[in-house]
Amino acid sequence: GAGVSQSPRYKVAKRGQDVALRCDPISGHVSLFWYQQALGQGPEFLTYFQNEAQLDKSGLPSDRFFAERPEGSVSTLKIQRTQQEDSAVYLCASSSLIGQPQHFGDGTRLSIL
Amino acid sequence: TQLLEQSPQFLSIQEGENLTVYCNSSSVFSSLQWYRQEPGEGPVLLVTVVTGGEVKKLKRLTFQFGDARKDSSLHITAAQPGDTGLYLCAGDANTGNQFYFGTGTSLTVIP
Repeated sequence: GAGVSQSPRYKVAKRGQDVALRCDPISGHVSLFWYQQALGQGPEFLTYFQNEAQLDKSGLPSDRFFAERPEGSVSTLKIQRTQQEDSAVYLCASSSLIGQPQHFGDGTRLSIL
Repeated sequence: TQLLEQSPQFLSIQEGENLTVYCNSSSVFSSLQWYRQEPGEGPVLLVTVVTGGEVKKLKRLTFQFGDARKDSSLHITAAQPGDTGLYLCAGDANTGNQFYFGTGTSLTVIP
C-alpha cells in the first residue's frame, strides 16, 4: 500500500538486548516523526527528521535511544541495552512538510522481558 | 511533557447518546488536530482546525477550536458502536518541531 509501514509489528526482547525498529514513510514525505505510546495514553514525541537531517531529538528518553534516516527515506529507531520501561508501542508518522497532517503507521509493539 | 489535557479520560455510553470530549491547554496552538485510534493501529486524522472559533462538522462529529486557540472540543451526536476508540487531540505549539498529543479519551459505545 501507499501508507506508512513499520516493522516488525511485534518485538519481544530480553532486558539488555539491543533492538532496531524500522519505518518506511510515504514516498516523497519530507518530515518523519517517531513517537512512544503507553497503553491507553497519547503518543509522546521522540524525534523528528526533515529529509536526512535529525532536527529535533529532544524527546529521546536517554542516550540508549538512537534514530537515523541516512537517505532521507527509511528510518530506524534503535534502542540499546533495553530496559523494562522501554516496553511500549513505537509509532512512526510522516508528512509532506512540517505542519502538514501526519500519517501514522500501525506501530511496533515492543515488550521487554 | 503533555501540554494538552483531555477530559474525560474514559467514557462509556449507550448507543444513541450524545457526548463531548474536551482538549485544554494553557498554550496557544497554531493548529489543532483530532485523531481516532483503534487497538493495534496508528492514529487516523479526523480533522484539522486552524482558526480561533472555527467549527467543523464531519457527519455526526462536530469539532470546535476555542477563540484563543488554547482549547478544542469534539461533540458526537447519536453515538454508534463504530465510534468506539481512543480519541486524541494534537497540535503544534510553535515551540519547534515537536508535535504534542493530548492525554487521550477512551470511548466505548455499548450497543
